[in-house]
Amino acid sequence: EAGVAQSPRYKIIEKRQSVAFWCNPISGHATLYWYQQILGQGPKLLIQFQNNGVVDDSQLPKDRFSAERLKGVDSTLKIQPAKLEDSAVYLCASSYRDQEFFGPGTRLTVL
Amino acid sequence: AQSVTQPDIHITVSEGASLELRCNYSYGATPYLFWYVQSPGQGLQLLLKYFSGDTLVQGIKGFEAEFKRSQSSFNLRKPSVHWSDAAEYFCAVARGDSSYKLIFGSGTRLLVRP
Repeated sequence: EAGVAQSPRYKIIEKRQSVAFWCNPISGHATLYWYQQILGQGPKLLIQFQNNGVVDDSQLPKDRFSAERLKGVDSTLKIQPAKLEDSAVYLCASSYRDQEFFGPGTRLTVL
Repeated sequence: AQSVTQPDIHITVSEGASLELRCNYSYGATPYLFWYVQSPGQGLQLLLKYFSGDTLVQGIKGFEAEFKRSQSSFNLRKPSVHWSDAAEYFCAVARGDSSYKLIFGSGTRLLVRP
């Protein structure tokens, strides 16, 4: 069984630029999550989708972050414009029967 | 509000020695509890989870954890550490309802001395 796929694995941008991350969850998993993991901290949930609907986006900075999950499968997370404090690893996860499976993450560096 | 505390930022043990990583949680009811491991450049891997029942939970790679309601703790243990266990370990809690989502602690980095 293929795992959660994410791309790119690494991204370096300058502040005020925009960036997008892509996630392909495990086939059949209805729930998809995006987490932000800042260096030295645990992952923090940004947004949770159930199929293509948003369940929880209470911790998503909506002035600069957006996410969508078209057709209830793949998802993209966008940051526009990026700030220095957005430097982090962005993890995507999908879940089935109360277990989350994580992708390898995208490491974002904002200069 | 739910929260998870991992009081040890770093722990160093010798290979072959026993290990215990501490985790305390704050939650009004019995939560779902998890331990994840993250190796450099890798995603989070589930070691074990507790939902209900037997308070001693066995996981992968020889790890176990014990849920103690009276202490609000879910400590991770391993009787004999291997060099390959060096990684970051995260404790997490989730509400056991339809809004299931994980709240993570800040992690404990395990270093293994040869």
